[in-house]
Amino acid sequence: KAGVTQTPRYLIKTRGQQVTLSCSPISGHRSVSWYQQTPGQGLQFLFEYFSETQRNKGNFPGRFSGRQFSNSRSEMNVSTLELGDSALYLCASSASGAPGDTQYFGPGTRLTVL
Amino acid sequence: EDQVTQSPEALRLQEGESSSLNCSYTVSGLRGLFWYRQDPGKGPEFLFTLYSAGEEKEKERLKATLTKKESFLHITAPKPEDSATYLCAVQFDYKLSFGAGTTVTVRA
Repeated sequence: KAGVTQTPRYLIKTRGQQVTLSCSPISGHRSVSWYQQTPGQGLQFLFEYFSETQRNKGNFPGRFSGRQFSNSRSEMNVSTLELGDSALYLCASSASGAPGDTQYFGPGTRLTVL
Repeated sequence: EDQVTQSPEALRLQEGESSSLNCSYTVSGLRGLFWYRQDPGKGPEFLFTLYSAGEEKEKERLKATLTKKESFLHITAPKPEDSATYLCAVQFDYKLSFGAGTTVTVRA
């Protein structure tokens, strides 16, 4: 079974631009979560989607948004990029996102904001 | 607020020198405690899920245990390929809350 895939793997943008990251979950998984990882803050939860509905959102500004499609694929968007948005963005999928359900991570997208 | 604390931050071991990593948590109604391994520049790789106090799981040289307030990841006779950052996380409200991780370096 193929794992979680994320595209692109690397991205370089300048301040003020916007960016869209894509995630394809493991086949059959319907829950997709997004995390931001930085050296200073570690892994922080951004949001979680199930059946195209956002069920939880982390403490990030409104510039960070996401969506999920009917095939469970998900995208996240960051508008008006800031230098501090440079990070590894990780997508994780699970069968249902139910309590105790294991989340499997993709390789991440490395975003650099100049 | 739910909190996950890992110690130590870093661990340097000689090949074959067994040790343990600690993950303490404060969460009401634990739904699952997860251990992941992460290599530099890569996504976390799932290792174990523990659900209730007293539970233990093993995989190769790794063994995870769970009590009511903490979890331990025991590394027995480590090899250089066990060098990585080990992350623990607790699940709450459809999200994982992660600790800062323990970076393990195993020297040959």
